[in-house]
Amino acid sequence: EDQVTQSPEALRLQEGESSSLNCSYTVSGLRGLFWYRQDPGKGPEFLFTLYSAGEEKEKERLKATLTKKESFLHITAPKPEDSATYLCAVQAFKGAQKLVFGQGTRLTINP
Amino acid sequence: EAGVAQSPRYKIIEKRQSVAFWCNPISGHATLYWYQQILGQGPKLLIQFQNNGVVDDSQLPKDRFSAERLKGVDSTLKIQPAKLEDSAVYLCASSSLGPGTGNTIYFGEGSWLTVV
Repeated sequence: EDQVTQSPEALRLQEGESSSLNCSYTVSGLRGLFWYRQDPGKGPEFLFTLYSAGEEKEKERLKATLTKKESFLHITAPKPEDSATYLCAVQAFKGAQKLVFGQGTRLTINP
Repeated sequence: EAGVAQSPRYKIIEKRQSVAFWCNPISGHATLYWYQQILGQGPKLLIQFQNNGVVDDSQLPKDRFSAERLKGVDSTLKIQPAKLEDSAVYLCASSSLGPGTGNTIYFGEGSWLTVV
């Protein structure tokens, strides 16, 4: 069974303090690994898809990387508006194209 | 481009009552998903449609939940009778048909259900 575990569950940083969120996964043939951002009261907002080990993608202060067992979401010099829950999900080649999500990391950036 | 539309946004019902949620996916998207997200957890797939047909409903509690997608566009998710543990956000999502690297899944804002 495909599984995703995210750590830490919650992270509190000061504005400008860089850090990383971890997503560990097991999947029978990875089609893609997805990162979403979710603000309170909203649906998940798509950030990145990574397809193969060694791949990296960047968007503003966020950079996502992928290995064969985990993905990291690096946040450089974060701002308060980066506060949100970050969700990681995997999509397998086998079967339907559903996403299997982790429980999320709740990130708070203090000014 | 319009996103995934859902209604109602919020609903409070008593246990054993029924409720229905509606979803209109992004235009042209053949695949439609319903996910359940309990507070503090990641979303969990309930049912996936490809056009009119069900692709995966293995985690749908079929004794109380039902879903349909008429004409391969809009979809309705129904819960009858509701239980307290059904309190959650019901997220509808859609993606375009086809293999390869462009198959991003886009989510709506969700329908928040509280069962009292």
